[in-house]
Amino acid sequence: QVQLVESGGGVVQPGRSLRLSCAASGFTFSNDAMHWVRQAPGKGLEWVGVISFDGSHNYYGDSVKGRFAISRDTSRNTLYLEMNSLRPEDTAIYYCAREFRSFDSWGQGTLVTVSS
Amino acid sequence: AIQMTQSPSSLSASVGDRVTITCRASQGIRNDLAWYQQKPGKAPKLLIFAASSLQSGVPSRFSGSGSGTDFTLTISSLQSEDFATYYCLQDSNYPLTFGGGTKVEIK
Repeated sequence: QVQLVESGGGVVQPGRSLRLSCAASGFTFSNDAMHWVRQAPGKGLEWVGVISFDGSHNYYGDSVKGRFAISRDTSRNTLYLEMNSLRPEDTAIYYCAREFRSFDSWGQGTLVTVSS
Repeated sequence: AIQMTQSPSSLSASVGDRVTITCRASQGIRNDLAWYQQKPGKAPKLLIFAASSLQSGVPSRFSGSGSGTDFTLTISSLQSEDFATYYCLQDSNYPLTFGGGTKVEIK
């Protein structure tokens, strides 16, 4: 079955960078667009961005545009989220999700805390 | 960006009750709307896609309706395992946007 496993979260100082990974298995990774969604502590869901199935297109939410970048490595079946110039308001659980009939599969999430 | 206004933000209900949650889009999104259920400490779970299509494995007491700007999620007979937070998502235009969530609590 589809499995998505995020990693790379942790505590980082404001202004620094962090890269999250999402390892995919159980489906043909190169067939599907992939998304990142985040959730600040005690808050609702916020869409972060998407990468097309072939990696040729990206779109981002306004709050992360110009700071975050999504990429994928089909040979490793892995999705990435490169986060730069991190701010305290980026503190959240970050989920990766497969786009099939909306988001049919999600990872368990990885917590990013931006704090000095 | 399209704004999704979800209501109510919370509700109290009893097992067996019929529950209705609504989402309104700030502009027309055809039927490009999904509903998710989230329990504490867990990832969201897809319930409904394309406004009214039931995701595989989701109980038939969940249903969705609507098109254009107004959408509804209905739970026909609330069960104990349905106490959770529900979100709508418009997947019509980028940036995608979620509603603010509806927390369904036990009365």
